[in-house]
Amino acid sequence: GQQLNQSPQSMFIQEGEDVSMNCTSSSIFNTWLWYKQDPGEGPVLLIALYKAGELTSNGRLTAQFGTTRKDSFLNISASIPSDVGIYFCAGPGRNTPLVFGKGTRLSVIA
Amino acid sequence: GAGVSQSPSNKVTEKGKDVELRCDPISGHTALYWYRQSLGQGLEFLIYFQGNSAPDKSGLPSDRFSAERTGGSVSTLTIQRTQQEDSAVYLCASSLGYRSYEQYFGPGTRLTVT
Repeated sequence: GQQLNQSPQSMFIQEGEDVSMNCTSSSIFNTWLWYKQDPGEGPVLLIALYKAGELTSNGRLTAQFGTTRKDSFLNISASIPSDVGIYFCAGPGRNTPLVFGKGTRLSVIA
Repeated sequence: GAGVSQSPSNKVTEKGKDVELRCDPISGHTALYWYRQSLGQGLEFLIYFQGNSAPDKSGLPSDRFSAERTGGSVSTLTIQRTQQEDSAVYLCASSLGYRSYEQYFGPGTRLTVT
């Protein structure tokens, strides 16, 4: 079945550092979504990408739709403590409305 | 405007009892989805509703799980004869329509089966 692989699974960074994470698939996606989930909350949509090569920003967050259409990247610049959480990528599934990756858990050390 | 709301936020029940979880989607959203998230895991799709069409139940893990959506708005997920492996966070999401991939999630209901 379709799978989205997120890397890294977890990361610890110092406040102020930039963060990069990615999401890859063996199949082509025509839409990529990035969500963030805070502890005890539901996922919140950060960025949606609809076109190969597209680069979209939301504040300090920038996401890119890979040109192969099999990957996407999320970068966070100048991280702050409230960036802590789990970041999920998602895309339209063949048999489900959306398929989600297992997430990248981000911890920020002040 | 108001986001997706879910109730209760926490539910503790004894094994074998039935539970009902409620979801109130964003006004005007015609598609509604239920997911399950086990501790430290990703999101597992359960069921979705689109308008007045029959729901897609393909993700329901067993016949103990059922869901309904009344009047195209509020939805209830029912788990009968709960088992300990049903313990998880149950998340509801809604979107403008099925082909709108941007889903907006509620805060979830944390279910604990003792």
